[in-house]
Amino acid sequence: GAVVSQHPSRVICKSGTSVKIECRSLDFQATTMFWYRQFPKQSLMLMATSNEGSKATYEQGVEKDKFLINHASLTLSTLTVTSAHPEDSSFYICSARDPTGGTDTQYFGPGTRLTVL
Amino acid sequence: AQSVAQPEDQVNVAEGNPLTVKCTYSVSGNPYLFWYVQYPNRGLQFLLKYITGDNLVKGSYGFEAEFNKSQTSFHLKKPSALVSDSALYFCAVSYTGRRALTFGSGTRLQVQP
Repeated sequence: GAVVSQHPSRVICKSGTSVKIECRSLDFQATTMFWYRQFPKQSLMLMATSNEGSKATYEQGVEKDKFLINHASLTLSTLTVTSAHPEDSSFYICSARDPTGGTDTQYFGPGTRLTVL
Repeated sequence: AQSVAQPEDQVNVAEGNPLTVKCTYSVSGNPYLFWYVQYPNRGLQFLLKYITGDNLVKGSYGFEAEFNKSQTSFHLKKPSALVSDSALYFCAVSYTGRRALTFGSGTRLQVQP
């Protein structure tokens, strides 16, 4: 099956620093990737849609200058949390849409736990 | 706007008994419906989906779901629960006008031995 990886799986940083999270589709090309945020014991909230070769589309209320998304290739999207603060601590999960065969299924990465001190 | 409702925060079932996890949805247009499972501190694993065709969809690990258009439901079922099925289950919907998934609030399934 389709595999999506995320790196790092866990990161702890100081307030004010920037953190980059990578999302890779390992065995398929993903023109579209998605970034979600999940708070403890809550559902996933879509942050942005990342399209290869174009600007990301952000959901209402998500600061695009704070959460920088780059989708430079068909297998890699990155999310950079700039000037991180404790309230940015969360579980960040990416997904990649597999368009082949009309399946339109999203496959999820294992997630990145960000803790901002 | 689309939405997904999972009315039960938790479902408890004894091992070997059938299980049902409920999901209802609301979208503009024809829905694409999905079930995912999440284990602690992990990402989501795809279980099954309904795009079109047969209303009964079979997925991974013996799970199945039935699309009911009139009731706008897509309940997840399994004939015989296993302790290892204990996890957090999410229903999600998208449609042709919006490919991003909208998730339900999740239902925690607890299977007792």
